[in-house]
Amino acid sequence: GESVGLHLPTLSVQEGDNSIINCAYSNSASDYFIWYKQESGKGPQFIIDIRSNMDKRQGQRVTVLLNKTVKHLSLQIAATQPGDSAVYFCAESRKETSGSRLTFGEGTQLTVNP
Amino acid sequence: DTGVSQDPRHKITKRGQNVTFRCDPISEHNRLYWYRQTLGQGPEFLTYFQNEAQLEKSRLLSDRFSAERPKGSFSTLEIQRTEQGDSAMYLCASSSTGENTEAFFGQGTRLTVV
Repeated sequence: GESVGLHLPTLSVQEGDNSIINCAYSNSASDYFIWYKQESGKGPQFIIDIRSNMDKRQGQRVTVLLNKTVKHLSLQIAATQPGDSAVYFCAESRKETSGSRLTFGEGTQLTVNP
Repeated sequence: DTGVSQDPRHKITKRGQNVTFRCDPISEHNRLYWYRQTLGQGPEFLTYFQNEAQLEKSRLLSDRFSAERPKGSFSTLEIQRTEQGDSAMYLCASSSTGENTEAFFGQGTRLTVV
């Protein structure tokens, strides 16, 4: 079946290091991907998105890479800070999915050690 | 605050009671989504509106669940005869019309059925 999932459930890094969070998707029709950050007790917060006609997109301290050949998505966070500690979800949508609703993966818990 | 607003933030109810949640989307967004999230999982799509029209409902949305968006602005989600399995975070999100536009989430309503 179709699914969006993450390779690792937890990731622990030192403050100042770079973090890489991975996501795999199985549906080749997926054409839009978003990374969300969710802190405890709060709703998901939009970080960055990428469309399927792109391989890379950069934001402030974050970069998303898309490899359509192997259906893989990653989120890179530069100079990780304690405030980056949260659960990170990748989500996908497809043009034929009405309203562009999102399908989420299970999430990766990022812990940043001072 | 011009983000997505949800009320209440927390609700504790006895099994069998009815509950109603409210969502106020970002004002210029005509799409509104409801998701449900259980502990350790990503959000799962429940239903979505474009303006006042409810265009899709997930199979997760049993007959006990009903959502409305009467004037195309705020939305309500009602759960009748609550069950313990309904305990979850109920998230609302909104987006503008068009393909591949990011959805912004509210802080959610945490429902506990005892």
